[in-house]
Amino acid sequence: QKEVEQNSGPLSVPEGAIASLNCTYSDRGSQSFFWYRQYSGKSPELIMSIYSNGDKEDGRFTAQLNKASQYVSLLIRDSQPSDSATYLCAVRDLYSSASKIIFGSGTRLSIRP
Amino acid sequence: EAGVAQSPRYKIIEKRQSVAFWCNPISGHATLYWYQQILGQGPKLLIQFQNNGVVDDSQLPKDRFSAERLKGVDSTLKIQPAKLEDSAVYLCASRGPGLAGDTRTYEQYFGPGTRLTVT
Repeated sequence: QKEVEQNSGPLSVPEGAIASLNCTYSDRGSQSFFWYRQYSGKSPELIMSIYSNGDKEDGRFTAQLNKASQYVSLLIRDSQPSDSATYLCAVRDLYSSASKIIFGSGTRLSIRP
Repeated sequence: EAGVAQSPRYKIIEKRQSVAFWCNPISGHATLYWYQQILGQGPKLLIQFQNNGVVDDSQLPKDRFSAERLKGVDSTLKIQPAKLEDSAVYLCASRGPGLAGDTRTYEQYFGPGTRLTVT
């Protein structure tokens, strides 16, 4: 059973600080990694994707991937109250015939003023 | 570019009744997914279509759930009869073509979802 693990939180971070969200996955064949943000009562919104080891930056967001450790993380710099949401880590194994994405259960992030 | 459309947004039914959800993917997206998301959990894939063919329905409870995508565009998901444990948000998603020659870059976009309550 392929798994994607996240700490459910809540993770409380002061406004302006760096929020660090972590995710581990079980399948070494995984090739594509995604972070989705989900506000309460809303659907998931894709905010970052990463495919190669290392860092990928987009504005205040940085995704980090370490395939050897089977670990992917999301850093949010200068955290804002609007960043308060659940963050879903998602992983896709290209070698399955259906190329299915597996989602973690999400980490709830709360930015305190 | 218009996003994934779903209807209805909310539905309340009694157990043993039937219900249907509709999805229209982003224009040109050949791959369509239906997910079930129970409160506090990540989305769980129910079924995946490539054009009008089923690619993966391994987690679809086929005794009560059915889905179709007859013309390779719109899709419907039906539950008959509904159970209390079917109360969840049903999300439709479609997958973009990605960057040329790199299947890693397939990205998936969700519709607003349908919140189903079974009483």
